[in-house]
Amino acid sequence: AQSVTQLDSQVPVFEEAPVELRCNYSSSVSVYLFWYVQYPNQGLQLLLKYLSGSTLVESINGFEAEFNKSQTSFHLRKPSVHISDTAKYFCAGARRAGSYQLTFGKGTKLSVIP
Amino acid sequence: KAGVTQTPRYLIKTRGQQVTLSCSPISGHRSVSWYQQTPGQGLQFLFEYFSETQRNKGNFPGRFSGRQFSNSRSEMNVSTLELGDSALYLCASSLAGTSVDEQFFGPGTRLTVL
Repeated sequence: AQSVTQLDSQVPVFEEAPVELRCNYSSSVSVYLFWYVQYPNQGLQLLLKYLSGSTLVESINGFEAEFNKSQTSFHLRKPSVHISDTAKYFCAGARRAGSYQLTFGKGTKLSVIP
Repeated sequence: KAGVTQTPRYLIKTRGQQVTLSCSPISGHRSVSWYQQTPGQGLQFLFEYFSETQRNKGNFPGRFSGRQFSNSRSEMNVSTLELGDSALYLCASSLAGTSVDEQFFGPGTRLTVL
């Protein structure tokens, strides 16, 4: 069965410092991988996704994630965080074949400290 | 283009009652998925509908059911409510419901069971 693991439930970081949110997946078949962000009292918004091709994917607001097949990881990084990045981040996977079903990690609460 | 809308946004019910939640997808989207979000279990997949047919179902008891109408709007119903059903219920829509389609999430319905 496919599973997605986010190793850290909370990550505090000072403003303008770099951050890495970790995500590992396990699956016996190829997967698509996603990062979603959830701001307080809101639904989820897609941050970035890996479907195929280049293993490094970027979002428009400075986040990037690298698909690492050998380590079964899809860690999210940002070189310099802002207060507005404070939110909960979810890593998710979907099987390449079959009908669409996202499997989510438990989420990582990123708190940016001024 | 209007986003995914969910009604009501907040709901308070008592144990044993039933509840119906509504989701209106983005215009043109034919796939609607439902997720339950709780602090303990995180985000869990409930079911997915496409063209009025349930295509995929998560591991939830039969008290949880849903349907989709010809205009792609979807409802989910929970009968005989239990305290543990208190959660944020998220609806997401996508064009065709395949793994490469982006899922757009609504703001959710916060259900509290007393």
